[in-house]
Amino acid sequence: AQSVTQLGSHVSVSEGALVLLRCNYSSSVPPYLFWYVQYPNQGLQLLLKYTSAATLVKGINGFEAEFKKSETSFHLTKPSAHMSDAAEYFCAVSEGDTGRRALTFGSGTRLQVQP
Amino acid sequence: GAVVSQHPSRVICKSGTSVKIECRSLDFQATTMFWYRQFPKKSLMLMATSNEGSKATYEQGVEKDKFLINHASLTLSTLTVTSAHPEDSSFYICSAGGQATYEQYFGPGTRLTVT
Repeated sequence: AQSVTQLGSHVSVSEGALVLLRCNYSSSVPPYLFWYVQYPNQGLQLLLKYTSAATLVKGINGFEAEFKKSETSFHLTKPSAHMSDAAEYFCAVSEGDTGRRALTFGSGTRLQVQP
Repeated sequence: GAVVSQHPSRVICKSGTSVKIECRSLDFQATTMFWYRQFPKKSLMLMATSNEGSKATYEQGVEKDKFLINHASLTLSTLTVTSAHPEDSSFYICSAGGQATYEQYFGPGTRLTVT
């Protein structure tokens, strides 16, 4: 079984400030990990993914995340927030190459960016 | 890139009627498609995994007779909500699996409102 915990349902930062969204996972097999962004009434857009290659993963729009196996974490960061980053962010896990492909999602973090 | 469409994007129906939602992979073939449900301000929950040419695999707690899934071709999966009730109102999102096990492409979602 897998699970994802996103600490903080709401995060508010000032424009230009560091963005840090936290994600911890639990998986009985080597996982694949994902971050998605969702704008209101829209589907999901993939920001980045970890698939057992480099542990520091760079994604779109300046986001990156680091896979830390010892901490079972996959936190999402961006050095400088833009107003357009305001959205809902979901961390998700799947069972890697050997297990089922369906994603288990965290509860989501709503990012607010203050001017 | 891989594109997944959903139709309709929004639907309003009366209680007791049935609604069909289509999920299409437009430029690739998907042997596996997934259906997720998202309640307001909540995360996505996997409803079922749909494999082309075989019966869908439903998650625990999802009524297979109420949420009928058909995956008759490599580019089309349908979800039919039968005898819809107001509690079925939700945002339904499909995804299609790509060639690599970590690839999953999401549709834009369908907003179902049952009155």
